[in-house]
Amino acid sequence: AQSVTQLGSHVSVSEGALVLLRCNYSSSVPPYLFWYVQYPNQGLQLLLKYTSAATLVKGINGFEAEFKKSETSFHLTKPSAHMSDAAEYFCALSGGGADGLTFGKGTHLIIQP
Amino acid sequence: EAGVVQSPRYKIIEKKQPVAFWCNPISGHNTLYWYRQNLGQGPELLIRYENEEAVDDSQLPKDRFSAERLKGVDSTLKIQPAELGDSAVYLCASSTSGSDYNEQFFGPGTRLTVL
Repeated sequence: AQSVTQLGSHVSVSEGALVLLRCNYSSSVPPYLFWYVQYPNQGLQLLLKYTSAATLVKGINGFEAEFKKSETSFHLTKPSAHMSDAAEYFCALSGGGADGLTFGKGTHLIIQP
Repeated sequence: EAGVVQSPRYKIIEKKQPVAFWCNPISGHNTLYWYRQNLGQGPELLIRYENEEAVDDSQLPKDRFSAERLKGVDSTLKIQPAELGDSAVYLCASSTSGSDYNEQFFGPGTRLTVL
């Protein structure tokens, strides 16, 4: 069975501060891991993905994530938050191939001016 | 390149009424997914198609939900009859095969409200 746990349903940071969104996973097979962003009334947009090539993954809009197998984690970070980063963020897992994604419950990122 | 298209974007119906959602995937994508996203939750897979064949429908409530993907392109998801608990956003995604993982591209979703 696969599962994804996102710690913190809401995270609030000041503009310019470090963003850290936490994701832990459970998988019986080597996972493929993804971070998606969802703006209000829009679909999901892929931020970045881990596909076993490199443990530190860089994505769009200055985000990056590090895969840590020993900690079963895939936390998302951004050095300096921007107001436009305010959105819902989802961590997701796939067992590979055309499998459907298993999502976490999401983290709502709030940016304080 | 056009993205995944879904319609309608919003639908409000009364309980016990039928409703249908339509999805047009990205051209050339042979795999199509339907997800349901309840308020405050992450999306959950309902059904996956490989071309016109449903290969994973284990999470589809088959007593009231049905789906089809004629000719392996467009897909329709139907609920009959709808219940209050069906209020959610229904997301369609598509991907192309040929890699270790298939990157999924999502449409904007259909927000269903059942009164």
